[in-house]
Amino acid sequence: DAGVIQSPRHEVTEMGQEVTLRCKPISGHDYLFWYRQTMMRGLELLIYFNNNVPIDDSGMPEDRFSAKMPNASFSTLKIQPSEPRDSAVYFCASSLHPTRQDTGELFFGEGSRLTVL
Amino acid sequence: LAKTTQPISMDSYEGQEVNITCSHNNIATNDYITWYQQFPSQGPRFIIQGYKTKVTNEVASLFIPADRKSSTLSLPRVSLSDTAVYYCLVGYSGGYQKVTFGTGTKLQVIP
Repeated sequence: DAGVIQSPRHEVTEMGQEVTLRCKPISGHDYLFWYRQTMMRGLELLIYFNNNVPIDDSGMPEDRFSAKMPNASFSTLKIQPSEPRDSAVYFCASSLHPTRQDTGELFFGEGSRLTVL
Repeated sequence: LAKTTQPISMDSYEGQEVNITCSHNNIATNDYITWYQQFPSQGPRFIIQGYKTKVTNEVASLFIPADRKSSTLSLPRVSLSDTAVYYCLVGYSGGYQKVTFGTGTKLQVIP
């Protein structure tokens, strides 16, 4: 398997524009996570899905952020309108369902570096 | 969710053994302890996971005392390529997993 695939790797946009980040999880994984990483706030969990259903979106900073998972092989994170403070690296990760033996290893993509001017 | 506390940074010379300790006083009965490694410009990568006593794999060892209120990640004979941020996570199994990361420990290996 190619691992978790994210696109684009880099995005530079102007304030007010819509940004869409994409993620393809590892085939067969039940969970999909979206994280945001900045120097100031570290690695923050924004939202996660189980079997395509959003389970917890309490980490989504504002209504400008939305995430969807229309099927098991694709998810998007959208920011509309974007602001300079949204500049960060956005990571997508996927995992299998945890069992009684472990909590499930998270597999991360390479991230999408967003710069909002 | 159990909160974790670990040192912000550590320095070590090449070839030395490095031990990074994580405190998790509020760990629950079903919680597992997991460590991730993150290199610059990359996503975190799973290193090791354990529930109690000692776990060892080809990369590291994880020591967990009987009360499970702390854990120690041990990296044998580090090299420059081990320079990274190391995250300690505590979470439960058997149900929905909300995996959150703390601040991590930035390990700098010095030649």
